[in-house]
Amino acid sequence: AQKVTQAQTEISVVEKEDVTLDCVYETRDTTYYLFWYKQPPSGELVFLIRRNSFDEQNEISGRYSWNFQKSTSSFNFTITASQVVDSAVYFCALSGFLIQGAQKLVFGQGTRLTINP
Amino acid sequence: ETGVTQTPRHLVMGMTNKKSLKCEQHLGHNAMYWYKQSAKKPLELMFVYSLEERVENNSVPSRFSPECPNSSHLFLHLHTLQPEDSALYLCASSQDPSGGTNEQFFGPGTRLTVL
Repeated sequence: AQKVTQAQTEISVVEKEDVTLDCVYETRDTTYYLFWYKQPPSGELVFLIRRNSFDEQNEISGRYSWNFQKSTSSFNFTITASQVVDSAVYFCALSGFLIQGAQKLVFGQGTRLTINP
Repeated sequence: ETGVTQTPRHLVMGMTNKKSLKCEQHLGHNAMYWYKQSAKKPLELMFVYSLEERVENNSVPSRFSPECPNSSHLFLHLHTLQPEDSALYLCASSQDPSGGTNEQFFGPGTRLTVL
């Protein structure tokens, strides 16, 4: 069975600090995808990144960076120089495949990140 | 309208009521999903439709009945719900790339309260 664990339930930091959100996953599939989503107070999940299991290159997008390590089954997310607008719940997710190409996302429990001014 | 829209945004209903949640995607996608988000629980996948055919029913009680009349619209019909069904119901869509996978785009959700 597939499983995603986000051990940090809540994180609170002061603005401009760097913060890392942890994600550990379990799967028996050799091909899979990992995702991070952001859920602001409005409720809508916003897609941040997708990573496939064959690409372990770290990725940086502005203040966001992701560290994918298959050896430890982890896909951690770092926000550099955090801002108040980064406050949200962040979800890590893992996908398996269904018929006709539709995917089944398994989500972690989420990490509530609060950036204090 | 762009992206994925959901109506209503908020719904309060009694246990004997019948109501429907509506989702519409304007992205040309051909897979649509219903998720339930309860307090302190992970997002739970409820139903998946691909090319208007239901491909996943995740052991959801029959008081929830999905309908997908076309690739742009998805409904969730509700009847005789229980207070524990109160949650945020999220709709999502994705493109079927046949052999690959793409990210799901989510709507803003319907906040449902069952009295």
